[in-house]
Amino acid sequence: QVQLVESGGGVVQPGRSLRLSCGASGFTFSDYSMHWVRQAPGKGLEWVAVISYGGINKYYADSVKGRFTISRDDSKNTLYLQMNTLRREDTAVYYCAKDSGLSGMDYWGQGALVTVSS
Amino acid sequence: SYELTQPPSVSVSPGQTASISCSGDKWGDEFVCWYQQKPGQSPVLVIYQDDKRPSGIPERFSGSKSGNTATLTISGTQTMDEADYYCQAWGTGLWVFGTGTKVTVL
Repeated sequence: QVQLVESGGGVVQPGRSLRLSCGASGFTFSDYSMHWVRQAPGKGLEWVAVISYGGINKYYADSVKGRFTISRDDSKNTLYLQMNTLRREDTAVYYCAKDSGLSGMDYWGQGALVTVSS
Repeated sequence: SYELTQPPSVSVSPGQTASISCSGDKWGDEFVCWYQQKPGQSPVLVIYQDDKRPSGIPERFSGSKSGNTATLTISGTQTMDEADYYCQAWGTGLWVFGTGTKVTVL
């Protein structure tokens, strides 16, 4: 069965960096685009970034463009999100999600909590 | 920017029909998806490509789209359907979620 497991969350000071990882299993990871989606406490879902299969195309939400970098290592079946210059408003649960190839995200991880606080 | 607007809340009695709207300010030919999220859980895809149900999603969930509005309909709503629901659309290089609707079954 498909499994997505995020790791790397925690508490970080404003202006510092953090890298999230998402380990994938149960499907051919290299065949699918992958997303990061976040949800601030008590708020709605916000799409963050996507990386295409093969890693050629990457797109970002305006709120993180220039600060966050999405990447993947298909040999390790792992998705990453490098988050630099973190701000308090980046505090959220970060989910990795598999693109279904049909305009939706069909599998989601359990989420990793990132708290930006001094 | 591209925005998808949903009503903040919808209330429905058990066994009745709940309808959730999703209005886009720049609809083109984008497909719409819908997700269900229960408290403390990750989102679950319930509708993709406007009106298709993933395997395992009950038939009481259906989707439609007309003009600038997409609609998620839950027929014969059950108490287990109480959750937050989000629409989502995709354009070139941009994925957008709706503002979310809390469905209360009472």
